[in-house]
Amino acid sequence: EVQLVESGGGLVQPGGSLRVSCAASGLTFSNYGMSWVRQAPGKGLEWVSRITTSGTTSYADSVKGRFTISRDNSKNTLYLQMNSLRAEDTALYYCAKKYGGSYHFDYWGQGTLVTVSS
Amino acid sequence: QSVLTQPPSVSGAPGQRVTISCTGSSSDIGAAYDVHWYQQLPGTAPKLLIYGNNNRASGVPDRFSASKSGTSASLAISGLQAEDEADYYCQSYDSSLSGYVFGTGTKVTVL
Repeated sequence: EVQLVESGGGLVQPGGSLRVSCAASGLTFSNYGMSWVRQAPGKGLEWVSRITTSGTTSYADSVKGRFTISRDNSKNTLYLQMNSLRAEDTALYYCAKKYGGSYHFDYWGQGTLVTVSS
Repeated sequence: QSVLTQPPSVSGAPGQRVTISCTGSSSDIGAAYDVHWYQQLPGTAPKLLIYGNNNRASGVPDRFSASKSGTSASLAISGLQAEDEADYYCQSYDSSLSGYVFGTGTKVTVL
């Protein structure tokens, strides 16, 4: 069974940095593209970033230049390094697995909460 | 960042049929990218409901159906049940962004 478990969330001051992780199990991690999707309190889903199997990355305009996605296939782990954090980055951050050749997500983690506040 | 437009809420009595629209643009749905739908029950992570425009994910009852036409898509729930009360999101891909786009979300209320 595929499992995605996020960790690393917490309270950080505006302008600060945080790295969140997503540990994957039950799949050959290196074979799949992965994404981060966030959900601000009481709001909808917002795609944040993706990384392909070959390491190609892309970002939403709202985080470009501040966030960096990476993966360690030897550890079956996805990362999101978040710098220059703003109050509007406060959200539950989900990692999501891309389904094969289709542009959708078939598995999601339970999320890790990032709160940016002084 | 582009988003797909959905109605904020829809409601219906048990047993009724409700539909949720999802409107995109020429760079996402209209660019022949598939539309997918997710169900998010209160306090839980999103769950894949429909993929590839009209294919139900594993375990999804046939009360759920979806379609796509042009720059829009829709999700229908027939025989509405109390357990269907949730938020629903459409999703596609935007080639100009090299990224994914989600709908604004629709809350389904069972009266």
